[in-house]
Amino acid sequence: GESVGLHLPTLSVQEGDNSIINCAYSNSASDYFIWYKQESGKGPQFIIDIRSNMDKRQGQRVTVLLNKTVKHLSLQIAATQPGDSAVYFCAENIEGYQKVTFGTGTKLQVIP
Amino acid sequence: GAGVSQSPSNKVTEKGKDVELRCDPISGHTALYWYRQSLGQGLEFLIYFQGNSAPDKSGLPSDRFSAERTGGSVSTLTIQRTQQEDSAVYLCASSPRGYNQPQHFGDGTRLSIL
Repeated sequence: GESVGLHLPTLSVQEGDNSIINCAYSNSASDYFIWYKQESGKGPQFIIDIRSNMDKRQGQRVTVLLNKTVKHLSLQIAATQPGDSAVYFCAENIEGYQKVTFGTGTKLQVIP
Repeated sequence: GAGVSQSPSNKVTEKGKDVELRCDPISGHTALYWYRQSLGQGLEFLIYFQGNSAPDKSGLPSDRFSAERTGGSVSTLTIQRTQQEDSAVYLCASSPRGYNQPQHFGDGTRLSIL
């Protein structure tokens, strides 16, 4: 079936640098996308979302980019901090359908 | 509380025993989800409840797994005759109405089958 996937399972970044986490999705009907952060021993925590009528959305130190042409989603974290170390999941949803499909996750390691 | 609450946080049991996992969603949230997460893996959808509608059970891996949601609030996930492959973290999430909204997760129940 169609699914959400990630290009890189592990990403190591120097503290202070910018991080980019990528996600490929294959369901062209998906119209809502979410990024979650999961720290060790915790449940996933919502970071930012974007709807298909947008191609960019910014939050505090985070930006999500959506390229519907190539079905690609990315999460950019500015000035990465040690507290950003976690596993990041992208997820997709189709309007009117309740089930959300999660990607396999990318582990972000911040090097002090 | 303000967030999704799950209990117990950890559960160790012997193979063949039944277990019950509890989820208290955020008050007023009509949508409730159960997921399973094996070590170092992504989230595997199990079941979804929305209001008074029939639940979406399409993710339950076997008939040993069942879930109910009483009064549109608290939910219980039951695993009968547990097997070692059932060992995982079981996560519950809720959202105000379901689609096109972020889910709020609890911290999960870590289940270990001996």
